[in-house]
Amino acid sequence: NAGVTQTPKFQVLKTGQSMTLQCAQDMNHNSMYWYRQDPGMGLRLIYYSASEGTTDKGEVPNGYNVSRLNKREFSLRLESAAPSQTSVYFCASTPGWGNNEQFFGPGTRLTVL
Amino acid sequence: GQQVMQIPQYQHVQEGEDFTTYCNSSTTLSNIQWYKQRPGGHPVFLIQLVKSGEVKKQKRLTFQFGEAKKNSSLHITATQTTDVGTYFCAGAASYDKVIFGPGTSLSVIP
Repeated sequence: NAGVTQTPKFQVLKTGQSMTLQCAQDMNHNSMYWYRQDPGMGLRLIYYSASEGTTDKGEVPNGYNVSRLNKREFSLRLESAAPSQTSVYFCASTPGWGNNEQFFGPGTRLTVL
Repeated sequence: GQQVMQIPQYQHVQEGEDFTTYCNSSTTLSNIQWYKQRPGGHPVFLIQLVKSGEVKKQKRLTFQFGEAKKNSSLHITATQTTDVGTYFCAGAASYDKVIFGPGTSLSVIP
């Protein structure tokens, strides 16, 4: 099992460019999450998906969109990147149904110039 | 909205001393988890607490969930250099919406 995989690992964008961060899990988990972590700070929830076909806003959803493509995949899209979106992005999954043990991917380090 | 706070933000201890971090939620939680993150890495799950007043131990680590299910603590006995990292609590008020605290960064001086 690969667990949770994220692509790309690193990305540099210019202000206004768009991109999609990909996340996939092979653990048959129901719930998936996108967090951002800024230097020296905790993880802030951007969006989550409690089950296939549903998505909900987290703490900091502005400037992002998500797609739960199927049970395995949950993508995060930046339509028009801004320097304030420079961060490390983590995808995570949990079995759900009350079991919130989160399995994290390795992260994507995004810089917006 | 739900907020999760942690104190202290930083803690420096001599190796062998004890360490405690405290977590408080603005809302009653269904469950709470604790994670450890090493510099440059991703958070790694330590434990989940579900029941009011629950206490769980993992070797030198003791986790408690408050009676009101709004607060929790992590206590490390006799810290070692391998304990260095940032410890996060994460709480779920609604079923699957998990909010992380800001973390406590632990430094251990050999």
